[in-house]
Parts: sequence; C-alpha cells; structure tokens
Amino acid sequence: GAGVSQSPSNKVTEKGKDVELRCDPISGHTALYWYRQSLGQGLEFLIYFQGNSAPDKSGLPSDRFSAERTGGSVSTLTIQRTQQEDSAVYLCASSAPGPAYNEQFFGPGTRLTVL
Amino acid sequence: LAKTTQPISMDSYEGQEVNITCSHNNIATNDYITWYQQFPSQGPRFIIQGYKTKVTNEVASLFIPADRKSSTLSLPRVSLSDTAVYYCLVGDKEDDKIIFGKGTRLHILP
Repeated sequence: GAGVSQSPSNKVTEKGKDVELRCDPISGHTALYWYRQSLGQGLEFLIYFQGNSAPDKSGLPSDRFSAERTGGSVSTLTIQRTQQEDSAVYLCASSAPGPAYNEQFFGPGTRLTVL
Repeated sequence: LAKTTQPISMDSYEGQEVNITCSHNNIATNDYITWYQQFPSQGPRFIIQGYKTKVTNEVASLFIPADRKSSTLSLPRVSLSDTAVYYCLVGDKEDDKIIFGKGTRLHILP
C-alpha cells in the first residue's frame, strides 16, 4: 500500500508569506506527527494528532505555526508570516493503533526555504 | 519522558560490527526502546524495538541489560550504505510527545 505522502516536496517562499504543508498518512493510521529538521540537526517534535485532536501543541515554535487534521486523515501545517529561521525540512509521520509504542512511518518531507 | 543520550558520531570500516550505545537512566516500566535510521534527504525509518534482553531481526540486534538503563544497537558487518544517523527513542503508547534526539551520525569508511 501507499506510504505517507507529503506535498509539496519543495517550497521556496519569501519572508512574510504564509505557507501550507500537507501530509497524507497511511490509511487507517490514527496517530499523526509533525517534525522539523534543520540542516545537520536532529528532529524537533512539533505536534501530534490522535484522530482529529491534538493533545499537545507545545512543540509548535510560535503562534505563527498551526496545524489541523480533518476526517482523521489529511493534516495541514500552516506557517504564517514565514521567517528565514523557518527554513527546514518538515517531516510528517503516522502510526497505527496497537498495544505498544508504535512504529512511526515517515513521509519524504517538505523542504521549506524562506528567502 | 525518559531522556536518551547517545554519541554524536562514530566512524567504522566496511565489514566491521558496529555497536551504538544509548543511555536512558530514567526509563519507565512501560517504556519500549526503539531505534530508527535516517539516510540523507529521507525521513527516519524503524529498525528495531525491544523491551528487555535481546532482539534480533534481519537488519540489527538490540541488546538491553536487566536494568534497562541503556541499550546497544549492533549492526553486523556494516557496508558503506549503512552510513546514516541512528536515533534511540524511549517511550510507550501513551506518550504524546515523542522525542528524537540528535542521534548518532555513523560514517562507514571503505
């Protein structure tokens, strides 16, 4: 079956513009995660969804960042008034319900460049 | 959440066995230990998961001592294609915030 997909794969924008990043999780996966990875760095957790709700949004770096998930499937990460420090690869992952800590399946990421 | 500590980088040679150790002194009773591998320009992918003792799959082995305060990922006979970043994670299904650290950057030399 299809894996996690993300779009766009690359996004170049100007400082101050808004961007939307999309994630399509694996069908049936109830959990969805967003991470950010700057060049040469580890992953930075942003937000987690269980179904359509996000119990913990504390990873979002500022109020310019928001995310939503509808129908327990597709998620959108929105960054308003982008800044150069927002430049990074944004990764989405999903996992299936199960009895233990569950494997996260990652998408290919969206490389965001803010000029 | 249990915090993990692992070496920032390691070098090894093709054909060698590589062991990467992760410390997780505050691991909780319900926590599992999971390792991921990330190649350049790709998202991380699951390698192996364990709770205690030893787990082996076609890719790696995971050794966990009785106190579970550390774990060792063992990669047998590495090749150049094993050059990647390896992340150690600790948590259970109730954890909302999954913490990936900086990982260990493994560089395999010919």
